[in-house]
Amino acid sequence: QVQLVQSGAEVKKPGASVKVSCKASEYPFTNYDITWVRQATGQGLEWMGWMNPNSGNTGYAQKFQGRVTITRNTSISTTYMELSSLRSEDTAVYYCARVGPLRTTDYWGQGTLVTVSS
Amino acid sequence: DIQMTQSPSTLSASVGDRVTITCRASQSIGTWLAWYQQKPGKAPKFLIYKASSLESGVPSRFSGSGSGTEFTLTISSLQPDDFASYYCQQYNSYWTFGQGTMVEIK
Repeated sequence: QVQLVQSGAEVKKPGASVKVSCKASEYPFTNYDITWVRQATGQGLEWMGWMNPNSGNTGYAQKFQGRVTITRNTSISTTYMELSSLRSEDTAVYYCARVGPLRTTDYWGQGTLVTVSS
Repeated sequence: DIQMTQSPSTLSASVGDRVTITCRASQSIGTWLAWYQQKPGKAPKFLIYKASSLESGVPSRFSGSGSGTEFTLTISSLQPDDFASYYCQQYNSYWTFGQGTMVEIK
């Protein structure tokens, strides 16, 4: 069964950076893109960016350009999302998801709560 | 970025009602539109792709239509399990989600 397992909750101070991991299992890691989506409490879904784990190519939403970096380590089938210059508005649950053959997501991670507070 | 505008933001309905949610794109996206359902504390669940194609296992009471800039999600007869939030998402140029529609019990 395909699984995406994310790292645990984080508490960060304003101005800091956070790096969330997403470990894939039970499928060929480099065959499917990974995308990152976040959701603040009580708010909607917000797309942040994607990565092709095979090529390392990435694409980011304009809102996050310059603040978000998506990387991967193919040897351990893991994708990382790093968000810098954190502010209180970045408090949210961050999800990774696999982009399936239909070009939409088919499997999601469990989500990682990132809290930004002084 | 392409903007997606969803309406209404909240919809109150009863079991058995027919409900329709609308999604508008700021520019033409062809049929590169998906719909998701999300329940509190859970990751979104993918329902419809290419504007009108039902994902495997999704009940036939769900349907999608539209192309270009105007799209709809219809639930033909609302069931108790359908009370949730729904999001449209374009994937013509990168991705963008609509703001969401919460379907609540009337």
